Amino acid sequence: AQKITQTQPGMFVQEKEAVTLDCTYDTSDPSYGLFWYKQPSSGEMIFLIYQGSYDQQNATEGRYSLNFQKARKSANLVISASQLGDSAMYFCAMREGQAGGSYIPTFGRGTSLIVHP
Amino acid sequence: DTEVTQTPKHLVMGMTNKKSLKCEQHMGHRAMYWYKQKAKKPPELMFVYSYEKLSINESVPSRFSPECPNSSLLNLHLHALQPEDSALYLCASSQDPNTDTQYFGPGTRLTVL
Repeated sequence: AQKITQTQPGMFVQEKEAVTLDCTYDTSDPSYGLFWYKQPSSGEMIFLIYQGSYDQQNATEGRYSLNFQKARKSANLVISASQLGDSAMYFCAMREGQAGGSYIPTFGRGTSLIVHP
Repeated sequence: DTEVTQTPKHLVMGMTNKKSLKCEQHMGHRAMYWYKQKAKKPPELMFVYSYEKLSINESVPSRFSPECPNSSLLNLHLHALQPEDSALYLCASSQDPNTDTQYFGPGTRLTVL
């Protein structure tokens, strides 16, 4: 079973509108972290936002917010006031707690976002 | 400063060539990673270095040879590659192996002819 599921291969949004990118995860570990990365066509993976499993509040970073619903095991990314430069591939990733081990993240398959003028 | 640098940006090599990819970070991070990414796919972990020691090798073929000369540098030596090895190679670092956020470099686009 996939640990990270991104069900939207592609999304379109009008400039200045908000958009939600879906991410669901599967883990039995009580300690885990969830990440979103942006990858423009240039290739660099840009860290956007992080949510820890014990964090009480939803994470926010500027125009990015993470809608964390623990019971539903979802961690959707919300981008407010979309800009043309937001057009990119977006990856959701999860790190599970591994006592004494290294952090090995699991990435979803990604969602391609296109922002229309 | 969350910058990870990678050189070269692009590399074209033949199957008999030997080349190296370089990654550098000056954030004091003690964990460094190599990923391989094919087009329209998520990155796949190849190697993890933790405190300059190789801690994870995800069953990567021996034609890929990682090296961590010091805590700031990570190399990936390439020898006798196959055309299917053509991909974007991403380097990342994190403060330590159990700390959450990985910061990625811009990648090296490798083409094997």
